[in-house]
Amino acid sequence: DGGITQSPKYLFRKEGQNVTLSCEQNLNHDAMYWYRQDPGQGLRLIYYSQIVNDFQKGDIAEGYSVSREKKESFPLTVTSAQKNPTAFYLCASSISTSTPDTQYFGPGTRLTVL
Amino acid sequence: AQKVTQAQTEISVVEKEDVTLDCVYETRDTTYYLFWYKQPPSGELVFLIRRNSFDEQNEISGRYSWNFQKSTSSFNFTITASQVVDSAVYFCALSEARRGRDDKIIFGKGTRLHILP
Repeated sequence: DGGITQSPKYLFRKEGQNVTLSCEQNLNHDAMYWYRQDPGQGLRLIYYSQIVNDFQKGDIAEGYSVSREKKESFPLTVTSAQKNPTAFYLCASSISTSTPDTQYFGPGTRLTVL
Repeated sequence: AQKVTQAQTEISVVEKEDVTLDCVYETRDTTYYLFWYKQPPSGELVFLIRRNSFDEQNEISGRYSWNFQKSTSSFNFTITASQVVDSAVYFCALSEARRGRDDKIIFGKGTRLHILP
């Protein structure tokens, strides 16, 4: 079954610790995205990547970092510089970004910083 | 600048009633794409529909229908004969199609729909 997986589903960390969220897709999609969702809010774009070894900042990239070493994987690190990291994080992918392709989403990771 | 407004924060209807979710967008482009996604309590966003700006035909898929009106910059979503399983947050989204630019999807803040048994 093709799809997007995110792990873990729930993540608890102490304040000041870096944490990495996993996102893997087997859809052979070129583009991948990370979004943050806060209660009662829409999705805000953190980072996106069109191809391997390349990525761009989204609207709220401060305090986050990413890598794209493989087409299938786009991990997100929430660093200690992120002032308010508790949120729901969603990963998505699309065939490409050359045209506005539909983005398909993973199940999300809920991060709570204690 | 792109903007998507979903004025209805929360809606509650009794099962089997019809319900319409409103979406109004702003864009300077003549070519753009509109989307609707459903977010059930599990959290994953489920794609429902994608529509480009040149296609103003209304679309129907089972109990779901979409009314796209460029004159009012609206892309409304109607659920007919609602069911409890329709309870979710629904997001409207917009993406501009500009040559040479990375496309990004801008999401509205969502409408939380409660279907009461």
